[in-house]
Amino acid sequence: DAKTTQPPSMDCAEGRAANLPCNHSTISGNEYVYWYRQIHSQGPQYIIHGLKNNETNEMASLIITEDRKSSTLILPHATLRDTAVYYCIVRSPRDSGGYQKVTFGIGTKLQVIP
Amino acid sequence: DAMVIQNPRYQVTQFGKPVTLSCSQTLNHNVMYWYQQKSSQAPKLLFHYYDKDFNNEADTPDNFQSRRPNTSFCFLDIRSPGLGDAAMYLCATSRELAGRTNEQFFGPGTRLTVL
Repeated sequence: DAKTTQPPSMDCAEGRAANLPCNHSTISGNEYVYWYRQIHSQGPQYIIHGLKNNETNEMASLIITEDRKSSTLILPHATLRDTAVYYCIVRSPRDSGGYQKVTFGIGTKLQVIP
Repeated sequence: DAMVIQNPRYQVTQFGKPVTLSCSQTLNHNVMYWYQQKSSQAPKLLFHYYDKDFNNEADTPDNFQSRRPNTSFCFLDIRSPGLGDAAMYLCATSRELAGRTNEQFFGPGTRLTVL
């Protein structure tokens, strides 16, 4: 099963870009990389996902290396409300038996500093 | 607003006393998931329903069961809660059509305390 590795914590100055790395060196060719964040005592919130190409939405950008063994989530202008635990997840498509694997990393606790 | 609702938000039960947590959704998603999240840990998938098909994770204890009577509702039953089952239980939903996987929408969670 694909596993993900993330630094346990990071700090970022308010207004600066936050770059959160994730290693998923055993990822399979058909597995997607998802990012979620969890603010204390709330359910995780979807941010972005990708397979091979870089992706951007209104919240963030996702940069996936060409070999797909790692990715970086970029919050372009971090605010205090972005303080949360960020999870990198590898998710497989559903197999012929109907099974789908969802593996959460340990998460990175991002602290945005005023 | 379409959403994932979990009731209750806080549940206290006694050691060994069966407890049921509930999840409902107004998103009409065909997949519903249950996760267990212990303090300072990442969510861990227990099982999920793809339509009516139940998919159990290999390491989910038999003590944990689930029911999905219809598209909107899903229940987590803990038959004999132990102290180690105290955790936040998260329900999530997603829409999967033609093999395409989409993002999961999470509920706020139910925090279970076992006395």
